[in-house]
Amino acid sequence: KNQVEQSPQSLIILEGKNCTLQCNYTVSPFSNLRWYKQDTGRGPVSLTIMTFSENTKSNGRYTATLDADTKQSSLHITASQLSDSASYICVVAGTASKLTFGTGTRLQVTL
Amino acid sequence: DTAVSQTPKYLVTQMGNDKSIKCEQNLGHDTMYWYKQDSKKFLKIMFSYNNKELIINETVPNRFSPKSPDKAHLNLHINSLELGDSAVYFCASSQFADRQSYSYEQYFGPGTRLTVT
Repeated sequence: KNQVEQSPQSLIILEGKNCTLQCNYTVSPFSNLRWYKQDTGRGPVSLTIMTFSENTKSNGRYTATLDADTKQSSLHITASQLSDSASYICVVAGTASKLTFGTGTRLQVTL
Repeated sequence: DTAVSQTPKYLVTQMGNDKSIKCEQNLGHDTMYWYKQDSKKFLKIMFSYNNKELIINETVPNRFSPKSPDKAHLNLHINSLELGDSAVYFCASSQFADRQSYSYEQYFGPGTRLTVT
């Protein structure tokens, strides 16, 4: 069964600190892995998309890594800001034209 | 200059009613999607249309019927609404997504919060 598990479920950090969110998946075959940011009351916004051959990709203060052998990905946020408070969703695309979504990590950045 | 728009943003209705949610994208994309996000924030795809043709139809009750009058619009009609239909429904679009991969970035609308009482 295709699954995407994310950890932690929720996280509270101080502004300016770094954090790392984890994603483990069992989707097979694998096409690509995406990280989305979803603000409260808004639709998800894509941060990164990585294919099998890519093991790291950055988007500003967001850096995603992918280990296709262990089927793990992480999203590292550097120098967090209050505006980073959101849910971060890991999504894996299989070549069967289906996306499998994780349930997300709820990040809260505080002063 | 909204990329993907949905109406209405909120919809409160009683069980048994029929309702529609509209979606429009001005990105020139060929593929549009409907997703359901439940109370646990879990997103699940319902339908996907490519250039007005249905390409994905997940296990969704046939009370849900998508309609795509043109490739810029994908509406969702729901008959005989049930309590379990309460959720946030997201429309999304992307460049053409063939059956083998989903390489293209998807752009999501703001969502429609449906509450069935």
